[in-house]
Amino acid sequence: KNQVEQSPQSLIILEGKNCTLQCNYTVSPFSNLRWYKQDTGRGPVSLTIMTFSENTKSNGRYTATLDADTKQSSLHITASQLSDSASYICVVRHYGGSQGNLIFGKGTKLSVKP
Amino acid sequence: GAVVSQHPSRVICKSGTSVKIECRSLDFQATTMFWYRQFPKQSLMLMATSNEGSKATYEQGVEKDKFLINHASLTLSTLTVTSAHPEDSSFYICSAREPGTPSSYNEQFFGPGTRLTVL
Repeated sequence: KNQVEQSPQSLIILEGKNCTLQCNYTVSPFSNLRWYKQDTGRGPVSLTIMTFSENTKSNGRYTATLDADTKQSSLHITASQLSDSASYICVVRHYGGSQGNLIFGKGTKLSVKP
Repeated sequence: GAVVSQHPSRVICKSGTSVKIECRSLDFQATTMFWYRQFPKQSLMLMATSNEGSKATYEQGVEKDKFLINHASLTLSTLTVTSAHPEDSSFYICSAREPGTPSSYNEQFFGPGTRLTVL
C-alpha cells in the first residue's frame, strides 16, 4: 500500500534553533518527493521537489534530503523564525499514475516559540 | 511562481443548500485542476481531477452527483457541493499544474483553500 509517514507529529522549538522533520514512504514506483509548508487555514506552498536522482535540495533556510534506497526524506530548518510555525507536509508522487496521483503525509505541526 | 486563487475563502450555509467554490489560475492556463478535501489534523485527500472541456474524474468514494465539478475554461474550475450536510464541513483546496514544468516534477500549485461550515 502506498503510504507516507511523517514524524514527529508535532514539534515545539525556540526561535533561532534548528530542527529536522522526517518522512518515510512506501510509494512505488516513485516519481518525486515534495515538501510543502501549510499555514493554518491556508493552502500548501511548495518548498522543494526532488526526483530519485536528487539527494539534497535547498530553498533558503530549508534543506531537504532524499535517500531513494531507504525511502526516507528529511526537511531541515535552520535558524528558525516565528513565521516558520506551520504544518510541513511530505508528498510523494506515484510514477505512472494520473497527474493527481499524489500521496500526502499527515504533516508535522511545527511551533516556533520566542 | 504560479498563483491559484479560490473564492470564497470561507462560507457558512444551512443544511440542504448548495455551495459553489471557484478555483482560478491567475497567471497561467491550466488544462487540469484538482480538488482536495482536508479534515482537521488529516492529510489532503484528492476528491476529483477536473479536466477542461470534459467530465471530471472522481476518486473512489466521492459522490459525483453531490460534488459537481465544472471546468469551463482554462483558468476556472468550480466545485458545487449540492444539498450540503454538516458532515460536508471541511477545508476544500484546489490545485493546478503549470504548463511547461518538467514532467518529472509535475509541479502543482495550490489555492488558499475554502473553509465550508454547514449548520
